[in-house]
Order: sequence, then structure tokens, then C-alpha cells
Amino acid sequence: AQSVAQPEDQVNVAEGNPLTVKCTYSVSGNPYLFWYVQYPNRGLQFLLKYITGDNLVKGSYGFEAEFNKSQTSFHLKKPSALVSDSALYFCAVESGGGSQGNLIFGKGTKLSVKP
Amino acid sequence: ETGVTQSPTHLIKTRGQQVTLRCSSQSGHNTVSWYQQALGQGPQFIFQYYREEENGRGNFPPRFSGLQFPNYSSELNVNALELDDSALYLCASSQKTGTYEQYFGPGTRLTVT
Repeated sequence: AQSVAQPEDQVNVAEGNPLTVKCTYSVSGNPYLFWYVQYPNRGLQFLLKYITGDNLVKGSYGFEAEFNKSQTSFHLKKPSALVSDSALYFCAVESGGGSQGNLIFGKGTKLSVKP
Repeated sequence: ETGVTQSPTHLIKTRGQQVTLRCSSQSGHNTVSWYQQALGQGPQFIFQYYREEENGRGNFPPRFSGLQFPNYSSELNVNALELDDSALYLCASSQKTGTYEQYFGPGTRLTVT
């Protein structure tokens, strides 16, 4: 069965420092991976996706993610964190083998960036 | 902000009642997916509609049903509400099915008492 794991409930980073939010996945077949961000009392916003090609994917707001097939990971990164990046981050995998688009989400990681 | 809208914003219902939630998809999108997000959890896929037909369903009982209209807006209906149905219900639209990114609405907060 397809699944996503986000091993950290919370990540704390000082403003200006690099940040990493971890995600590992388990899928049969090709993985189609996504990152979304959720601000309080808001819906999810798309950040980036990996479908195929370059293992380093660049997305919105300066975020990027690195796909690592051997480690089955898709970690979200940003070189320099901002206080405004504080939010809930979800990793997701598409469960229909690329045909349906229904997403399986991890439980989320709360990112806290302190000034 | 995405062009996906949902109504109502908040809703309080009593156990056993029925509820209808509505979603307007982003212009140009023909696919709508519904998710349930319980407090402190990631969203869980309920079902997806593509061109007015159900195109996949998650592990939810039949009392969760839906519709998609010719303008690609959608409804989620829940019958015989249970306390565990209390959650944020998210609608997401996408250009097509498959690996196209989904654009989420702000959600409807349903409380069942």
C-alpha cells in the first residue's frame, strides 16, 4: 500500500538558517510526490511536485525538494528560512499510479521559524 | 489564494442529521477531489469526480456521497452524521486527473454535536 511518513512532528529553525522537513514514502511503481503548506485556518497551498526527471525540484517561495530513490525520501529544503515560513507542511504521494491524482498525505510537520 | 471556493465556512450539526457541503472549482479545472482533515492529522481522500463521474474513492462509508455538476462545481453529502465526522472538509480542483497539482479551497469546518 502507498504511504508517506513525516518523522518529525515539529521542526524549529532560526531565521536565516537552512531548513529541512523530512519525508519518506512507500509506493509500488513510480512515485509521484508533492509538498503542500497549510497556514492556520486555511486550505493547503501547492509548493512543488516530483513526477520525473531532475531529482532536485524547485517550487514556490524559494522551497526545493530532493528526490532520492535509493532512500525513498523527498525532503523539503530552503537555504534561508523566514519567520513567515512558519506553518504546517504536508508531504503527499499520488496513489493512483499517476492516473487518478488522489493524494495520500503524511501527518504533517509543524515548522517554527524564530527571529 | 486559489480560485477554489467552499461554502459554508463553518457548520454545526447534530448527530444523525444530514449535511451538504459545496465547492466551486477553479476556472478551467474539470476534476474535483474531496478530503477530510481531522484535527492534528493530514487530509484523507474521500473521493474524486472527473467530468461528472466518480473517479476513485477512499476508505469512507457509503453515507459519504457526492455530485459534480456540468460547470464542474461539486457537492459532498454526508448522511447520518456521527461525532467522528467532525473535521475540516477540503475540496481541491485540478486541470485533469493524474499527476496535476491540486488547488485547495479554504475548507468547511463541520462540528457534529
